[in-house]
Amino acid sequence: GNSVTQMEGPVTLSEEAFLTINCTYTATGYPSLFWYVQYPGEGLQLLLKATKADDKGSNKGFEATYRKETTSFHLEKGSVQVSDSAVYFCALSDPGGGADGLTFGKGTHLIIQP
Amino acid sequence: DAGVIQSPRHEVTEMGQEVTLRCKPISGHDYLFWYRQTMMRGLELLIYFNNNVPIDDSGMPEDRFSAKMPNASFSTLKIQPSEPRDSAVYFCASRGDRISGNTIYFGEGSWLTVV
Repeated sequence: GNSVTQMEGPVTLSEEAFLTINCTYTATGYPSLFWYVQYPGEGLQLLLKATKADDKGSNKGFEATYRKETTSFHLEKGSVQVSDSAVYFCALSDPGGGADGLTFGKGTHLIIQP
Repeated sequence: DAGVIQSPRHEVTEMGQEVTLRCKPISGHDYLFWYRQTMMRGLELLIYFNNNVPIDDSGMPEDRFSAKMPNASFSTLKIQPSEPRDSAVYFCASRGDRISGNTIYFGEGSWLTVV
């Protein structure tokens, strides 16, 4: 079956630090990969996505590259801000493999200190 | 685009009461999903519909939970009777068909507390 594994937090960084949140996956088909962000008290917002191998998704300074050879989709940002404090979820969608919904990782709580 | 709309945003109810959560998907989307988020289990897929037809309800925790989609623009998730362990955030989400893309869009969630 499909699964997503991501580093669990909390991850605490200082403002302007470099961020990496690791995410690896297993899938039976050819999944699309996503990062969602959840700010305190809010719903899930799509942050970025990639639909095939070697694609790079980017948004708001965040980037992630779909690496088929390592089955990974690590999230990076060069300089984090306090406003980036949130929970980040890695997810995959694999309709070709029979999974029409999203399979989520457990989420990584990111705390950015000024 | 209005996005996925859920109601109520917050609900506090007493154990044993019926709870009905409502969702309006994005217009034109063929798939509708209900997820539940708790601290213990994270995000769980409860049930999803394709063209108003339930496809997979294996995530529904027990018979107290039921979901319907009477038309393309409306779905309900009902809990009867409710129990304290049902306290969670319930998300509705929708997406288009496989040709239009696999991105799933979420509503703001219904924050349920059962006391």
